[in-house]
Amino acid sequence: DTGVSQDPRHKITKRGQNVTFRCDPISEHNRLYWYRQTLGQGPEFLTYFQNEAQLEKSRLLSDRFSAERPKGSFSTLEIQRTEQGDSAMYLCASSLALVNEQFFGPGTRLTVL
Amino acid sequence: GNSVTQMEGPVTLSEEAFLTINCTYTATGYPSLFWYVQYPGEGLQLLLKATKADDKGSNKGFEATYRKETTSFHLEKGSVQVSDSAVYFCALSTANSKLTFGKGITLSVRP
Repeated sequence: DTGVSQDPRHKITKRGQNVTFRCDPISEHNRLYWYRQTLGQGPEFLTYFQNEAQLEKSRLLSDRFSAERPKGSFSTLEIQRTEQGDSAMYLCASSLALVNEQFFGPGTRLTVL
Repeated sequence: GNSVTQMEGPVTLSEEAFLTINCTYTATGYPSLFWYVQYPGEGLQLLLKATKADDKGSNKGFEATYRKETTSFHLEKGSVQVSDSAVYFCALSTANSKLTFGKGITLSVRP
């Protein structure tokens, strides 16, 4: 296993469109996290899963955002009716529940025109 | 809530200079502390961590000591190299969960 992968790496969309990102964690990792990073800032937590259960969601995660991890493996993050303020790097990380060490993917850079 | 404050950047040093990057935190409970690094064009990588007071994390010549009395986790390296040029993020987690990051600081090392 080569680490956490994310697809696509870049996404350009028009305001009002829906977008979906995918994250494939390290295979044996049961926790999966989503973060958002804007220019000049550190990553901000959005949500995380343990297996298929979504255990926590940030107040940053408006009702236009939804995340799933249907079989406890890969996860998707969907943004509906995108806004220019959604432009950011979306990062995925994974870990083992009992090991406090998260491994990050390369990110998906979203640009909303 | 939890928060991490990093010194303002950017930082520019000559090769072989001593590096200190300050990081202080506010947290409920007993956090674990981390330094992550982002090299140009690459993803975030864990550089080092410490899980309890007075622990010292170290990796690639970098060190940081978990100071509970000053709520700090400053990153140090005795002799920086050009290859250390990157963005450095201090972070914490409580209850073995989500990470809270500082804003990051850009380090440039010139030959």
